[in-house]
Amino acid sequence: GENVEQHPSTLSVQEGDSAVIKCTYSDSASNYFPWYKQELGKRPQLIIDIRSNVGEKKDQRIAVTLNKTAKHFSLHITETQPEDSAVYFCAASTGNQFYFGTGTSLTVIP
Amino acid sequence: GAVVSQHPSRVICKSGTSVKIECRSLDFQATTMFWYRQFPKKSLMLMATSNEGSKATYEQGVEKDKFLINHASLTLSTLTVTSAHPEDSSFYICSARDWGTQETQYFGPGTRLLVL
Repeated sequence: GENVEQHPSTLSVQEGDSAVIKCTYSDSASNYFPWYKQELGKRPQLIIDIRSNVGEKKDQRIAVTLNKTAKHFSLHITETQPEDSAVYFCAASTGNQFYFGTGTSLTVIP
Repeated sequence: GAVVSQHPSRVICKSGTSVKIECRSLDFQATTMFWYRQFPKKSLMLMATSNEGSKATYEQGVEKDKFLINHASLTLSTLTVTSAHPEDSSFYICSARDWGTQETQYFGPGTRLLVL
């Protein structure tokens, strides 16, 4: 089955700096890659997603890149703000189940 | 759009009792719902996939007789933790897949279960 690895597990950045979270996957059949943000005690919220026929997608300060050949995808947050502090999960899907990464706890220091 | 509710949000029960958790898609039809368990500061662990009108598919290591799942309609799935024990205490989150998009999963707010 699919195996998704996520790095780093924790990340601290100064407000205004950029943050990058990376994930790798093992199943070449995976074709959908969402990213979720989870604040403490709350539900995961979809923040951006990308499909395998696209290499990059951007939404304001958030961007995701996908390298199908290398089987890795990354989340980029620019101009970070304290409210970006949360746990971020990547996921890979072949169309049925989602396989989640282990999460990255992001702290943005004011 | 794409709102998923979960009830109750928090429950405390005595060991040996059963607890039912409901997951509803409020503004879309969900042919598939997923049940996850999340431990503190850990990732989401898929327990089972619930398909409307058919039996749930359980992940390896998840006891189907202990975690009963029913997906009676396109907007409702229930998880019943039977004969709960302290080790069942956890945060349970459901998610639903929109019939229309068939891709994105939308998560419920979660249920925090504490078994005494």
